Amino acid sequence: SAVISQKPSRDICQRGTSLTIQCQVDSQVTMMFWYRQQPGQSLTLIATANQGSEATYESGFVIDKFPISRPNLTFSTLTVSNMSPEDSSIYLCSAGSQGETEAFFGQGTRLTVV
Amino acid sequence: GESVGLHLPTLSVQEGDNSIINCAYSNSASDYFIWYKQESGKGPQFIIDIRSNMDKRQGQRVTVLLNKTVKHLSLQIAATQPGDSAVYFCAGSSGNTPLVFGKGTRLSVIA
Repeated sequence: SAVISQKPSRDICQRGTSLTIQCQVDSQVTMMFWYRQQPGQSLTLIATANQGSEATYESGFVIDKFPISRPNLTFSTLTVSNMSPEDSSIYLCSAGSQGETEAFFGQGTRLTVV
Repeated sequence: GESVGLHLPTLSVQEGDNSIINCAYSNSASDYFIWYKQESGKGPQFIIDIRSNMDKRQGQRVTVLLNKTVKHLSLQIAATQPGDSAVYFCAGSSGNTPLVFGKGTRLSVIA
């Protein structure tokens, strides 16, 4: 199993600013994903972070708002840009490799925008 | 596309009883399912998975049943303990597509 570390674990940010969340995996993985989980709700996929190419975004999520980097097979960042209170949520990184049966999650980043 | 949903948002059980959490999915092409447990303030934790070529899979105190005919799966927890209190999510995928999560069921264990 992979161990996934996210930083920061929580933050309180002013509206209009941006926050970059880091995700570090302790082993090389093929697939990395970013999810959003709003309070009391399920997880919604934001995008697939592709190593060496642009991320693949799900419907309703755009690169300008959620730019993603993945410079190698163990690290990815998600930026929440020009934040508003509606962006207050938990952001989760997950990772796995093609052919494996498990997708592991970090502990999440709890973001509050004021 | 894939859609995964749960029948009940909350479930309360007595300590020591068995728990059954249900999940329905819509995409008949889904071939892989995972159950996750999420405790407050933590990320989802893998519990057990099952592929579509299986009907049943057992782990430690947990069993997942898959009924492809009616596109339904369930998680059974034997001898439920207070530490089992959490939100449980089912998630499914087809091929190499990302997991799609259900709405979640909050399990409360009554001591």
